[in-house]
Amino acid sequence: AQKITQTQPGMFVQEKEAVTLDCTYDTSDPSYGLFWYKQPSSGEMIFLIYQGSYDQQNATEGRYSLNFQKARKSANLVISASQLGDSAMYFCAMREGDNDMRFGAGTRLTVKP
Amino acid sequence: EPEVTQTPSHQVTQMGQEVILRCVPISNHLYFYWYRQILGQKVEFLVSFYNNEISEKSEIFDDQFSVERPDGSNFTLKIRSTKLEDSAMYFCASSEGGGSGETQYFGPGTRLLVL
Repeated sequence: AQKITQTQPGMFVQEKEAVTLDCTYDTSDPSYGLFWYKQPSSGEMIFLIYQGSYDQQNATEGRYSLNFQKARKSANLVISASQLGDSAMYFCAMREGDNDMRFGAGTRLTVKP
Repeated sequence: EPEVTQTPSHQVTQMGQEVILRCVPISNHLYFYWYRQILGQKVEFLVSFYNNEISEKSEIFDDQFSVERPDGSNFTLKIRSTKLEDSAMYFCASSEGGGSGETQYFGPGTRLLVL
């Protein structure tokens, strides 16, 4: 069964607008971490933001924020004020307890000028 | 800012040959990982390593794969006899701790092509 689901294979956003990338997850472990990574065309994996299962507040890092809805098991990434350099693949990932990290299939974001 | 480094950036090899992919994790990190990403697909966990031994491995990590920390800085992935389907980007990652809240920092990857 899929642990991490990213239902949007591709998304487009106009420069300077906000965009939400969806991520839902499946776990019965009460302790887990949720991560978002950015993969530009050059191939590297860049850590963006983390949300812990026990965190009361949504995580924010600069223009990135995580819309964490625990009951719905969703952890959507919101990018505000999109820039051309935000065009990349975005991966949602989850780690349950001490287990290995599982990644979603990714969403390709294209920022249009 | 400290970062994970990997060498080589690209490797081309013949089927059946052995390859060794090298990684230098962030210096104060204690947990090390290898992942692979077949072109156009999701990132897949291969193995985690702590205290000089494998702590977890996936079904992908069969007897053809091995990992080693030969010295205090390097962390290597060896593929004993490469197959065509081993062609992928291989990422090394490291983290300070091993819990669910520990961020794993990835290296730039080694793109392996098996002919």
